Amino acid sequence: GDSVTQMEGPVTLSEEAFLTINCTYTATGYPSLFWYVQYPGEGLQLLLKATKADDKGSNKGFEATYRKETTSFHLEKGSVQVSDSAVYFCALHGSSNTGKLIFGQGTTLQVKP
Amino acid sequence: NAGVTQTPKFRILKIGQSMTLQCTQDMNHNYMYWYRQDPGMGLKLIYYSVGAGITDKGEVPNGYNVSRSTTEDFPLRLELAAPSQTSVYFCAVRTQETQYFGPGTRLLVL
Repeated sequence: GDSVTQMEGPVTLSEEAFLTINCTYTATGYPSLFWYVQYPGEGLQLLLKATKADDKGSNKGFEATYRKETTSFHLEKGSVQVSDSAVYFCALHGSSNTGKLIFGQGTTLQVKP
Repeated sequence: NAGVTQTPKFRILKIGQSMTLQCTQDMNHNYMYWYRQDPGMGLKLIYYSVGAGITDKGEVPNGYNVSRSTTEDFPLRLELAAPSQTSVYFCAVRTQETQYFGPGTRLLVL
């Protein structure tokens, strides 16, 4: 079945460092891919998405490119801030018409001043 | 416009007790979902509904029940609480773009 694998955390960075969180997926067909962010004590918020190969999703300085050849959707940011500290989830929506999302296990990011 | 609301925010249950987690949306969308989030495990789908009167099981439905009598409400029922049901529960609504999540209910079963 469909699955998503994220790099294990926690990831600890200094402010203004470069961020990469790896995400790879297994799915039949052409899934849509998402990154969600969860700030402490809150629900999940959509950060960005991509719906077809080579699409680049971007938001708030974060970017991710849908790479079908490597089945990857890595999250990047050029210069992280303390306020980016959160848990980041990679997810996919496959061919099912039920709208179900498959989530990775989440990666905790901690940014230190 | 509240989006998705969940009540209660936090609850402690004793083993064997029952409770209902409430989820209400004002977005007028048909598809709704219940997930549980365990530490380091991501989110797992418990049940979902594609419209009033229609529900179906997700990955981890055992120990839970749902109903969907209206478009707005999608309650999740725990009949005999067990420690394994200690988790954070999220309700979500499918929008055109993706899924929109409620703030969650933290449940502790002792």
